[in-house]
Amino acid sequence: LAKTTQPISMDSYEGQEVNITCSHNNIATNDYITWYQQFPSQGPRFIIQGYKTKVTNEVASLFIPADRKSSTLSLPRVSLSDTAVYYCLVGDMSSGGSNYKLTFGKGTLLTVNP
Amino acid sequence: DAGVIQSPRHEVTEMGQEVTLRCKPISGHNSLFWYRQTMMRGLELLIYFNNNVPIDDSGMPEDRFSAKMPNASFSTLKIQPSEPRDSAVYFCASSRGQQETQYFGPGTRLLVL
Repeated sequence: LAKTTQPISMDSYEGQEVNITCSHNNIATNDYITWYQQFPSQGPRFIIQGYKTKVTNEVASLFIPADRKSSTLSLPRVSLSDTAVYYCLVGDMSSGGSNYKLTFGKGTLLTVNP
Repeated sequence: DAGVIQSPRHEVTEMGQEVTLRCKPISGHNSLFWYRQTMMRGLELLIYFNNNVPIDDSGMPEDRFSAKMPNASFSTLKIQPSEPRDSAVYFCASSRGQQETQYFGPGTRLLVL
């Protein structure tokens, strides 16, 4: 499984756009990039997943450059309730791949201040 | 849907006692996962079931841990005998298929004294 590196913590203010970047230099051809969010005392929650270029849903956007060695999770206009740990994961989504073995690193603790 | 249901939410026990954690996956999901989360080791996959059959148990720490899935709507993770180092939050997750998005339960916080 490709290793990921992301900042340990980030601070932001309400209403700002937050971008969290994850490095995955050893990403393989069949690997997809997935981001999860975890609030205290809760299980991780899926946010977004992508393979290349840009993916957008109602919660966030995911930007992946052509070389796929990094990705950026973008949260528009954060609020206090977005304070959580954000995990970047990389895994093989092909049939028989091991993507189900979600490997959660330390994640990025995002603190949104008033 | 109620989401993944886990019980109990909190468990405090003494070393040497048997602990049983329970999970009800989301209806219609064929894959079930048990994870353990600690500050030191983060979130680790313990075991994975597909269609009620254990597929990958390489993450189960030792013989004291066992997991069963007697039917599509119920799974248990048992620790016997429990030890203080087993103290952690145990999460159950389910997905429609092996490669599909995993939905996590609220977790069981276990403290072994």
